[in-house]
Amino acid sequence: GNSVTQMEGPVTLSEEAFLTINCTYTATGYPSLFWYVQYPGEGLQLLLKATKADDKGSNKGFEATYRKETTSFHLEKGSVQVSDSAVYFCATRNTGGFKTIFGAGTRLFVKA
Amino acid sequence: GAGVSQSPSNKVTEKGKDVELRCDPISGHTALYWYRQSLGQGLEFLIYFQGNSAPDKSGLPSDRFSAERTGGSVSTLTIQRTQQEDSAVYLCASSAELNQPQHFGDGTRLSIL
Repeated sequence: GNSVTQMEGPVTLSEEAFLTINCTYTATGYPSLFWYVQYPGEGLQLLLKATKADDKGSNKGFEATYRKETTSFHLEKGSVQVSDSAVYFCATRNTGGFKTIFGAGTRLFVKA
Repeated sequence: GAGVSQSPSNKVTEKGKDVELRCDPISGHTALYWYRQSLGQGLEFLIYFQGNSAPDKSGLPSDRFSAERTGGSVSTLTIQRTQQEDSAVYLCASSAELNQPQHFGDGTRLSIL
């Protein structure tokens, strides 16, 4: 079955630093890939997604590119803010499937 | 508009008691999903509903867990004879159709003493 591996946290950065959170996946076929974010005290929210190879998902300054050759979907942001402090989950779902498989989550702390 | 609503937000109960967790999906969403998030772990898929039916119950951790959905809307997740390892945050999500983006509720934090 599908699986997702993402870098362990916590990741601690200073404001305006560059962020990368690594995510790799295993899947049969051509899955859709997602990043979800969970802000403190809130539920999960979809941050961005990509549905086919070489697609780039982007939202709120975050980007991730679907790399089939490296089976990766790394999350990046050029300049983080304190308000980006949250837990970020990488996820995959097969085309036509219903079950979304989540990584363990990476906690990000951004210091002012 | 209203998002996915879960109740209660927090539940503390003694080992061996039964608990019921409720999920109100976004109006009109046909698909509903239950997940469990244990401390430090990723999300564990439990069960999904398409309308009122749950085609695959294999994700439920044990036969103490059951879920139902009535009227294609509200769903309840029931845990009988709770154990300490059931302590977790239980998340519900809904989507307009299967394979559409899922919208998550804030979860129910369940603590078994």
